[in-house]
Amino acid sequence: QLQLQESGPGLVKPSETLSLTCAVSGGSIRGSDSYWAWIRQPPGKGLEWIGSIHDRGSTYYNASLKSRVTVSVDTSKNQFSLRLTSVTAADTAVYYCARAPRDSSGYYLRSFDYWGQGTLVTASS
Amino acid sequence: QSVLTQPPSVSAAPGQTVTISCSGSSSNIAHNYVSWYQQLPGTAPKLVIYEDNLRPSGIPDRFSGSKSGTSATLGITGLQTGDEADYYCATWDTSLTTVLFGGGTKLTVL
Repeated sequence: QLQLQESGPGLVKPSETLSLTCAVSGGSIRGSDSYWAWIRQPPGKGLEWIGSIHDRGSTYYNASLKSRVTVSVDTSKNQFSLRLTSVTAADTAVYYCARAPRDSSGYYLRSFDYWGQGTLVTASS
Repeated sequence: QSVLTQPPSVSAAPGQTVTISCSGSSSNIAHNYVSWYQQLPGTAPKLVIYEDNLRPSGIPDRFSGSKSGTSATLGITGLQTGDEADYYCATWDTSLTTVLFGGGTKLTVL
């Protein structure tokens, strides 16, 4: 059974950089032919996709965050990471990592089948 | 405001049937598979429908999905109190090259 676990600081100061890592167990990122995603949820609000990376390295980002976001993958450690620069209070949210497998039509990012439990990151001084 | 439109809330009595709609456009729902997620309070979202109408292993057949044109629908029959949750639709937008989530629908089982 695939498991994903987010880790990183729970508190980030405004204007600084948020960095999170998602450790994957029970399966390998390398050769998975899947995208690996970051999704966030501000307190009391809905889900927002941040960005995704394929196990071969190609990426897609939410246009509203693209200038501040980097998603990377380390297949040797079986983990992928999120970096969000210049954070503000609006970036306070629960951050989830998830897997987006290839669908029957050969496309990706139409569904997310495994999710981490989420980690709350608060942007505050 | 989400590109995918869901009703903010729906409610029904135990044992009844409820549907949740997700309205989009030709650049997203009409030409891309839709998925649905159940989020129980304080937990991560859980995939309940993928590829418009398929159920992952372990999801009861009380959950169903359908799509017509630019709208998708999640149906839940034989409602149980344990179905009380927020439900989100999601898909890809080909024009925006982005993943879209609906704004979410809170299901109350009265």
